[in-house]
This record gives sequence, structure tokens and C-alpha cells, in this order.
Amino acid sequence: DVKVTQSSRYLVKRTGEKVFLECVQDMDHENMFWYRQDPGLGLRLIYFSYDVKMKEKGDIPEGYSVSREKKERFSLILESASTNQTSMYLCASSFRWTLVNTEAFFGQGTRLTVV
Amino acid sequence: QQQVKQSPQSLIVQKGGISIINCAYENTAFDYFPWYQQFPGKGPALLIAIRPDVSEKKEGRFTISFNKSAKQFSLHIMDSQPGDSATYFCAAPLAGGTSYGKLTFGQGTILTVHP
Repeated sequence: DVKVTQSSRYLVKRTGEKVFLECVQDMDHENMFWYRQDPGLGLRLIYFSYDVKMKEKGDIPEGYSVSREKKERFSLILESASTNQTSMYLCASSFRWTLVNTEAFFGQGTRLTVV
Repeated sequence: QQQVKQSPQSLIVQKGGISIINCAYENTAFDYFPWYQQFPGKGPALLIAIRPDVSEKKEGRFTISFNKSAKQFSLHIMDSQPGDSATYFCAAPLAGGTSYGKLTFGQGTILTVHP
């Protein structure tokens, strides 16, 4: 089974803290993604990485950065956490797309609360 | 910014009924339209997807219909069961450049099937 593992299920952080969310996949996928899930807004892409050290901004990158030093690991960094970053964060991975390989596999999510 | 508009936001159906969820999209890289299913406490998982060479795809009780001229696609769940109660997301691939491989998700539909 494909596994995308997020390091924490629940996190509570204080405003202004630097927060690291970690994601590891075991399928040798080239692509990795960080999404944010909020009620009524669906899944919104924060950042996308298509190779080691390569990254691309998604729809809502402000206040976030990412790091991909190894193929299997993709980290999301909240430089200075704010209450409006309280949300569910989902990591996903997929093969580089072809007509055959298109499925994205998601982790179970990290529920982050910033107080 | 590319968008995928999903409706309704929530849906209540009696057991045995038909559940219908609709999505409309703007410009995409190519015609690939997946639906993801998410149960509480879990990450989304691919349910069914349609590719450009067909206008309809059926897998068991789940059917995707695709109308290219209208830029719309829909998910039909026949004989809905309480176990189908979940959040459903439609998605479409963004158009252009290195965004190949990214999905834009709809806002999500919370389906509740009453026994």
C-alpha cells in the first residue's frame, strides 16, 4: 500500500511561532503537494514540488514556505504562525503525470490550531 | 486563477436514492477529471476518474458524466448507502507550464445518506 505519512495528527501552536509540518511518502513519487482544507473552501494548494529542491507556488502561498531536500520528504513551514492559519493541512504525492499515472495519494492530515 | 465550482455544498439523500454532485471548470491542461472521497478523520482518496476519450464512466454504483462543450462533469451515486456518507471533491488539472500534475479541487460536497 502507498503510504503518505504526516508527522502529527494534531498540533497546537502559539501566534508567532515557527511551525514545521513534515510529510514522508514511500512510493518514490516525483510530485508532492501541500493543501489546506477549510469548510466551504475545499482543498486549496499551498505549494507543489515536482523534484528534489524544486518547488512552485500554489494558490495560497503567503505565510508559508517549503523544503524538499530528499525525494521522499516534503516539509511545510509556517514562518510566523497566525490564527488565520488554523486549519487542516493535507500532504499528497503522485508520480510525474502520464496518461497512466495520475492518482494523488493523501496523508491523513494535520489539524493545526494557532492560539 | 483557475477555478472548479462544485455544487451543492451539502446533500441529504435517503438510502436507495440517487446522489448527484456537479462541477464546472475553466481551462485545464487536459481532460482528466477525478473525484475524491473523504471520510471523517481520513485524507481524501481517489474514487473514480474520467479521461478524455469517453463521456461517461461507470464503476459499480458510481458514474461520472462529462460534458466537454459545457465544461461540466458530474458524479452520480446510484442506490446510495449510509456507508457512502462522506465528503466528495471533484478536481481538474491546471492548464499550462510546470503546473502539469497539479489538481484544482472543488469546494467539496458533504453527503449524508439516511438509513
